[in-house]
Amino acid sequence: DAGVTQSPTHLIKTRGQQVTLRCSPKSGHDTVSWYQQALGQGPQFIFQYYEEEERQRGNFPDRFSGHQFPNYSSELNVNALLLGDSALYLCASSRQGRRNTGELFFGEGSRLTVL
Amino acid sequence: AQSVAQPEDQVNVAEGNPLTVKCTYSVSGNPYLFWYVQYPNRGLQFLLKYITGDNLVKGSYGFEAEFNKSQTSFHLKKPSALVSDSALYFCAVRDYDQTGANNLFFGTGTRLTVIP
Repeated sequence: DAGVTQSPTHLIKTRGQQVTLRCSPKSGHDTVSWYQQALGQGPQFIFQYYEEEERQRGNFPDRFSGHQFPNYSSELNVNALLLGDSALYLCASSRQGRRNTGELFFGEGSRLTVL
Repeated sequence: AQSVAQPEDQVNVAEGNPLTVKCTYSVSGNPYLFWYVQYPNRGLQFLLKYITGDNLVKGSYGFEAEFNKSQTSFHLKKPSALVSDSALYFCAVRDYDQTGANNLFFGTGTRLTVIP
């Protein structure tokens, strides 16, 4: 049973560029959440996708956008990169429904460095 | 809004001694509380959760957590620390809205170092 997979694991970009990060949820999961974890900080919620729609969003600018595909996989896009966007980007999956008690399953993350 | 606080950035403990990592919470309604662990350059791994029921929750790798409603705390504990327990620990609370969407709000983390 594959867990949450993310790609790429590491990448380096320069200021002003755009980046796309990808995530495949755990088998049987239909909801994907994205988090940003800056060095030495706790994960910060970016947004959550369910049924191919953004359901909830944290305090992040419009430069951060996403998409969910019919197979439940998801992409995180960041435009006009800033130095402060350097972080570990974590994808987490879960399953909607009455049995959902809020537990999230995380991938290993994508480490983005902006120069 | 839901929130959690981890008052200690760093906890040091000798191998074999009991360990405690502290967490306090602020929620409206019944709290759903979680502990996660993160090893260097890795994602977060689920340790345990409190939804309802017994105040002492048992989780992975011998960890347990005690839910205390009067003190709004959810401290992580282990009777005997191992060097391999050295990692970053995050407390989290479920945050949900009227649409049914929910996510986890994380604390700032506590770095646990177990000294041989």
